[in-house]
Order: sequence, then C-alpha cells, then structure tokens
Amino acid sequence: QQKVQQSPESLIVPEGGMASLNCTSSDRNVDYFWWYRQHSGKSPKMLMSIFSNGEKEEGRFTVHLNKASLHTSLHIRDSQPSDSALYLCAATSGGNYKPTFGKGTSLVVHP
Amino acid sequence: DPKIIQKPKYLVAVTGSEKILICEQYLGHNAMYWYRQSAKKPLEFMFSYSYQKLMDNQTASSRFQPQSSKKNHLDLQITALKPDDSATYFCASSQRIQAPLFGEGTRLSVL
Repeated sequence: QQKVQQSPESLIVPEGGMASLNCTSSDRNVDYFWWYRQHSGKSPKMLMSIFSNGEKEEGRFTVHLNKASLHTSLHIRDSQPSDSALYLCAATSGGNYKPTFGKGTSLVVHP
Repeated sequence: DPKIIQKPKYLVAVTGSEKILICEQYLGHNAMYWYRQSAKKPLEFMFSYSYQKLMDNQTASSRFQPQSSKKNHLDLQITALKPDDSATYFCASSQRIQAPLFGEGTRLSVL
C-alpha cells in the first residue's frame, strides 16, 4: 500500500519569502504526483501536477520531480498571506484508481 | 455552477442511526471517489468507482457502503453511526487517472 510522506508538518514564512515543501512516495511504480492547496474550511484544489523528471513553473509556483528518489517538492516564491493553507501532496501508481494523499504541510505566511 | 454536487452540506446524526451522503458529478468523468478528513486523521481514501464498478476499497468497516445508481452518481451509506465517524466526507471525480476534482464536502457530526 502506497504511503505519501510530506515534510515539514508546518512552515512559517514571512510575506515575500520562499516556502519549500517536500513529498516522497513509498511506491516505486508511482506515475503521477499532484499538489493541492486546501484553505481552512474548504475542499482541496489542485495546484500543479508533475509526472516527468525535472521542473515545472507556473507563476510563483515551481514543482520539481526526481523519479529515481520518488521525491517531489513545491516551491512558492514571493509568498503572500493568501497562500496560508494546508498543502497536500498526492500520488497514484500502476494506473490504479487510488490517489493517495499525504498528511500535508500547514503553511502560514505572516505579513 | 458547481460541477460536483454534494448533499447535504451539514449533517447531524445520533449514534446508531443511518445516513446517506449524496454525490453527483456533471463533468463527464469516468471515475468517482470518496475521501474522509477529520481533525484526528488526514485526508483518507475510502472508495473508488469507475463506470459504476468498485475499483478500490480502503475502508475496513462494512458500515460504509457506496451506492452507484448512475455512472455520475456515487452515494455513501453509513449505518450504525459512531461519534468517531464525525468528519468531512469529500466526493471527488476524475477522468481516468487525472487529478481528482473535489466537491465541497459534507460535514457530519455524530452525537
């Protein structure tokens, strides 16, 4: 059974700073990683996906993937207070229908 | 317009009773899921269905039974409710193994 580990559990960064979040899968057959953001009291919303080795950038958000180490990271530059949320990493493997989520990283961006 | 409709938004139940959580999606997706999230546990996969067929089941208890009357419906019946069942139940859908899109959730409180 795949496990998805996220670190750190919580992170505090100043407004305008860089936030770096990590995620690792236990399954060597992992196909896709997704990053979600969940604001308090809301449902998770997909931010970015990655399935090929390398880097993908969308605005202030950059995702890295190293498939050999089953590791992905999300970097948020110029962090804003509105980025304060729970960030969830999800992975799926072997073409199954079981996207598995990590416990999340709680990000607080203070003004 | 919300594309994944969950009803009701809030639900209060007494211990030992039975409730049905409703989920419909209008995205034409072929896969639907149920997840559960509480203060004590992270976002937890429960079931996945594709074309009304059960694909994966991670719920140990038979008190949780998914019901799919149409391919865009996946309801969740919970019997013999316990206080520990108190959580937010999220329905999600995706096209094959793309990132799941979540509904707004049903917040269940069991007294």
